Amino acid sequence: AQSVTQLDSQVPVFEEAPVELRCNYSSSVSVYLFWYVQYPNQGLQLLLKYLSGSTLVKGINGFEAEFNKSQTSFHLRKPSVHISDTAEYFCAVSEGGYNKLIFGAGTRLAVHP
Amino acid sequence: DTGVSQNPRHKITKRGQNVTFRCDPISEHNRLYWYRQTLGQGPEFLTYFQNEAQLEKSRLLSDRFSAERPKGSFSTLEIQRTEQGDSAMYLCASSRTGSGTKNIQYFGAGTRLSVL
Repeated sequence: AQSVTQLDSQVPVFEEAPVELRCNYSSSVSVYLFWYVQYPNQGLQLLLKYLSGSTLVKGINGFEAEFNKSQTSFHLRKPSVHISDTAEYFCAVSEGGYNKLIFGAGTRLAVHP
Repeated sequence: DTGVSQNPRHKITKRGQNVTFRCDPISEHNRLYWYRQTLGQGPEFLTYFQNEAQLEKSRLLSDRFSAERPKGSFSTLEIQRTEQGDSAMYLCASSRTGSGTKNIQYFGAGTRLSVL
């Protein structure tokens, strides 16, 4: 069965510092991978996706992620964070061609001035 | 696209009452999904429709839960005889059918249910 593990429940960071949010998945078949962001009392907004092709994918708001098949990871990075990046971030996986999403438990990113 | 719309945004009810939520997907999206998100957790899949057909239901969807999508447009999720454990955010998403970017899911803002 598919599963997603987000290794850090909370990540505190100072403004303008780099950040990495870690995500590992398990699946026996090819997968699509996603990162979503959720601001308080709002739904989920798609940050970026890996479907195929280049393993380095770029998303909105300066975020990027790298798909590593051998390590079954899809870590999210940003070189310089802003206060406005404070939110909950969810990694999700779906098996290729069938798009029920399996989510991790989330990582709360707290950016401090 | 006007986005996925969910109503109401908040619902407070007493234990034992029935509640119904509505989701209007992005127009021309023929797939519609329901997820449940409890505090501090990621969303969990409940069920999905392709057009009007309900193609999969999670084991989380007990017999007190029922979802419909008449005519393949909006969908409703009803919870009968609510329990305090039903308190959660209920999220709706929609997508097209197809490969690649066509089946990316777009989420609504959710309905937050509080059962007293």
